[in-house]
Amino acid sequence: AQSVSQHNHHVILSEAASLELGCNYSYGGTVNLFWYVQYPGQHLQLLLKYFSGDPLVKGIKGFEAEFIKSKFSFNLRKPSVQWSDTAEYFCAVNAQSGGYNKLIFGAGTRLAVHP
Amino acid sequence: NAGVTQTPKFQVLKTGQSMTLQCAQDMNHNSMYWYRQDPGMGLRLIYYSASEGTTDKGEVPNGYNVSRLNKREFSLRLESAAPSQTSVYFCASRPGQGASYEQYFGPGTRLTVT
Repeated sequence: AQSVSQHNHHVILSEAASLELGCNYSYGGTVNLFWYVQYPGQHLQLLLKYFSGDPLVKGIKGFEAEFIKSKFSFNLRKPSVQWSDTAEYFCAVNAQSGGYNKLIFGAGTRLAVHP
Repeated sequence: NAGVTQTPKFQVLKTGQSMTLQCAQDMNHNSMYWYRQDPGMGLRLIYYSASEGTTDKGEVPNGYNVSRLNKREFSLRLESAAPSQTSVYFCASRPGQGASYEQYFGPGTRLTVT
């Protein structure tokens, strides 16, 4: 079955700490992966996406993610977090079913960054 | 461009009442989606419309119906609301069915059913 697992449900960091959020997926087809961010009270916004080529993908606001096919992983990283990175982060995989493409989302990781 | 808009932003219903959540996008996207977001469960797909004139069930369709009124608008209807439908509802759109396309989300509707 198609699924996305985000193992860290809550992460608390101090400013300037490094961040890595785990994402593992289960999908047998061509892999297209996404990270979305939801700031408090706001809608989801795209951080970055992978669909082919360089497995290290750079996104907005200094975030990056690495696609490791052998590990079925797409972990999100940032070298130095800021208070403004406090948000919930969702990993998603595109899955095809019945000829249509849909996004399957993980449960999300809530990040709190303390000054 | 306003992007994806949703109305209302907040709604309180009593068990058994009905209502329709409205969604519109002005990006000329072909595909539209309805999700519900519950704590610890991420976003779960309720219904989607791959293109104008088509709708399909997602992961959690029970208790909901949808209408793709035209290319711009995709509404979600609760015929008889239940407390289990208390959630935040997000509408999203996507340019087409290409697998690498991202989805664009609306601001959400926070629904409480008492």
